[in-house]
Amino acid sequence: EAGVTQFPSHSVIEKGQTVTLRCDPISGHDNLYWYRRVMGKEIKFLLHFVKESKQDESGMPNNRFLAERTGGTYSTLKVQPAELEDSGVYFCASSQGFGYEQFFGPGTRLTVL
Amino acid sequence: GNSVTQMEGPVTLSEEAFLTINCTYTATGYPSLFWYVQYPGEGLQLLLKATKADDKGSNKGFEATYRKETTSFHLEKGSVQVSDSAVYFCALSDFNSGGSNYKLTFGKGTLLTVNP
Repeated sequence: EAGVTQFPSHSVIEKGQTVTLRCDPISGHDNLYWYRRVMGKEIKFLLHFVKESKQDESGMPNNRFLAERTGGTYSTLKVQPAELEDSGVYFCASSQGFGYEQFFGPGTRLTVL
Repeated sequence: GNSVTQMEGPVTLSEEAFLTINCTYTATGYPSLFWYVQYPGEGLQLLLKATKADDKGSNKGFEATYRKETTSFHLEKGSVQVSDSAVYFCALSDFNSGGSNYKLTFGKGTLLTVNP
């Protein structure tokens, strides 16, 4: 069974540009989470989908970040326009239900210059 | 709010040495506790977990005991191997009052390097 996949693995963009990160959860997992680790700091929760609905987006830093999960399958996280402080590693995780283990993808390393 | 504090790294050990990575937490409720590991080039993997006080999670020779009285969940291994070199994250689950979210709160991570 394929694990959680994320694309791209690395992205280098300039301040003010737009970047879209993609996450493909494990097939059948309704719960999808986004997290972010800024250099040297904690991994922080961004938001949680159940199917296509946003269950909790309390961790989204500001309105430059937009997450979608059309059809309840893969999810995208768009940053527009990107700022220097958005640099970090963005992790996606999925689980089959509430309280079940979250399986993480390898992350996307975003560098904003 | 909830928070996790784990010992600062990096930690460098020789093969077969004893490992302890300290982790303490602050939580308003009664969380579940986890240790995740990230090997080079890979995603986070669940290493072990404990869901109630005095539970001991164990896996691959690693152990951690949920200590409610000291709000701690220290990771230990009696004899580390080179293949244990990775970043280790302590985390807790956040089960909000609505019962609809299990977001994880993480510590900063501890880089472990084991030399032959």
